Amino acid sequence: EPEVTQTPSHQVTQMGQEVILRCVPISNHLYFYWYRQILGQKVEFLVSFYNNEISEKSEIFDDQFSVERPDGSNFTLKIRSTKLEDSAMYFCASSPSLGGYTFGSGTRLTVV
Amino acid sequence: QKEVEQDPGPLSVPEGAIVSLNCTYSNSAFQYFMWYRQYSRKGPELLMYTYSSGNKEDGRFTAQVDKSSKYISLFIRDSQPSDSATYLCAIRAGNMLTFGGGTRLMVKP
Repeated sequence: EPEVTQTPSHQVTQMGQEVILRCVPISNHLYFYWYRQILGQKVEFLVSFYNNEISEKSEIFDDQFSVERPDGSNFTLKIRSTKLEDSAMYFCASSPSLGGYTFGSGTRLTVV
Repeated sequence: QKEVEQDPGPLSVPEGAIVSLNCTYSNSAFQYFMWYRQYSRKGPELLMYTYSSGNKEDGRFTAQVDKSSKYISLFIRDSQPSDSATYLCAIRAGNMLTFGGGTRLMVKP
């Protein structure tokens, strides 16, 4: 069964450092997303990406965040200057035009 | 007002029981309804997807949507210990999913 692949599975970084989280969505999907889940809290929407541009973003997705699809397969989330409160599980997802989203296994980001 | 509400549980049932999990939502613009299963520190796994009122069945799982009441349900028949997980409802409007907080289910052998 096709799956969404995320790397790394765990990333530890110092406050103020930049991090890049990587994802390989399902190849024939058209929409790509990033969500995050702070420990013990709801899964929260960050951003959706379609046709090489952001289609929707939440209030969480401020100027510290950016997304990119640098080639035909990868989809990345960059956090420019990490804060302690950015510590969370970050999930990449993809979907066809209609239908359910398939999520990756996540990257656990720990900011120290 | 919370957009998607879900009883956090935990819900503890004996093996073989029928499980009923529920969500309510407030936004009539919500169009598509999904149920996910999430094991600890793992990504959500899609179980069911539906966009219309009524029932949809897949194996031991049945999803039910009542748009007039803004109420969705997931039923699990013949529950197994391996079903022990957190179940998340998620509702789509546009390109965004809004999740409930999840219900933790424990199925005891």
